[in-house]
Formats: sequence, structure tokens, C-alpha cells
Amino acid sequence: GQQVMQIPQYQHVQEGEDFTTYCNSSTTLSNIQWYKQRPGGHPVFLIQLVKSGEVKKQKRLTFQFGEAKKNSSLHITATQTTDVGTYFCAGISGTYKYIFGTGTRLKVLA
Amino acid sequence: ETGVTQTPRHLVMGMTNKKSLKCEQHLGHNAMYWYKQSAKKPLELMFVYSLEERVENNSVPSRFSPECPNSSHLFLHLHTLQPEDSALYLCASSLELETAPKRYEQYFGPGTRLTVT
Repeated sequence: GQQVMQIPQYQHVQEGEDFTTYCNSSTTLSNIQWYKQRPGGHPVFLIQLVKSGEVKKQKRLTFQFGEAKKNSSLHITATQTTDVGTYFCAGISGTYKYIFGTGTRLKVLA
Repeated sequence: ETGVTQTPRHLVMGMTNKKSLKCEQHLGHNAMYWYKQSAKKPLELMFVYSLEERVENNSVPSRFSPECPNSSHLFLHLHTLQPEDSALYLCASSLELETAPKRYEQYFGPGTRLTVT
């Protein structure tokens, strides 16, 4: 079945360093969404990408959708302790089935 | 606060118990979802409802039984669970069902942390 893998699984960075997580799908996606889950919390929607090659920015966060619409990335510039959490991508192929990625857990060391 | 509430927040139950999880959304959404989140596993979609009608049952064991009496409320009835069913159960809603070309973000509730002993 369709799978969405994320790498790395875990990432520890010093505050101020950059961070990137990658999302790879086994099939072409119609769009992709990114969510953040703080420790002990629930997933919160960050952004949606629809077009091939699309790049969107939210302050220090940059989201990219691959040209083939099978991969995506989230890059955080100059991480802060508030960035701690698990970042999930969710690929949507076909109708309403969200396939969530395995998640990347980010820890920021002050 | 996302506008999606879940009760209880924590639940410990024995394998022979029957319990129910409740989800309520105050967003006027038409689609609701149940997910299971286990440690070191991706979020697993369990059930999808659109306007109170179930549209997806993702090969979930019959010991989990969903109910959607109206578009604002969603229940997950539990009976004779197994220890491996211990997980965080998340409810989510979206404005509409995801169908191309429109896609809608999901709003998640805080979850119910379930422990089966």
C-alpha cells in the first residue's frame, strides 16, 4: 500500500542551528500537508502544498513540494526552543485518505 | 484550543470492560475522523464520517465501533480490547471530505490516552 516515509526520525540541534525534515511518498500525491505536534499535544496544521515545485514560507519555516509531487521538505532556519515537537507530513492521493508520515521529532538544545 | 474537544482525556480499562470515547467539534465541519497514534508508528486513520455517514472503515477490528449521531459528535465504542490497543486516540474534523481539487486541513482534538490492562 501507499507509504509516506520521513527522515530523519529524530534530530537534536543546538538553538540557532537550521533543521530540515524530508518526506517521501511511494506514489504521486495530489497535495501534501504539514502538521506539528508539541510534546503531549495534538497535531496542528501548518501548511498545505498543491502545485509541483511549490515553495511556501512562514517566517522561519520553508516548505517545498517536489517537482514529481512525490516528496516534500520542511526547513527551519535558526531554530528556537519553541520549535520543539514532532513534524508530520500527510500525503493525500486520490480521495480523502490522509497518509501520515512517520514523523520527525525535533529537540532543540538551549 | 482548536474547537475540537475529546473526553475523557485519559482512560484505563480492563480487557473485559466496555467504554466510549467522545468527540465534539464546534467548527461547523461536515467531516470527522478517528485516528490511532501509537508510539513509533505513524498516525493510523481508523474511520471517516461525512455528514453522519461512514465513508471509510480502514480494516479496523470490530472491537472498535464508531457512531456519529450528528455532524458535531463522534463516538468510539470500545469493548474487549487488547493491551496492544493502548494508544492515543485522536479525533479530527475538516470542513468537508477531502475530494479533489479541494483539500481541507484537519483540526485535531487533544486526544484520549487509552491504557488497556
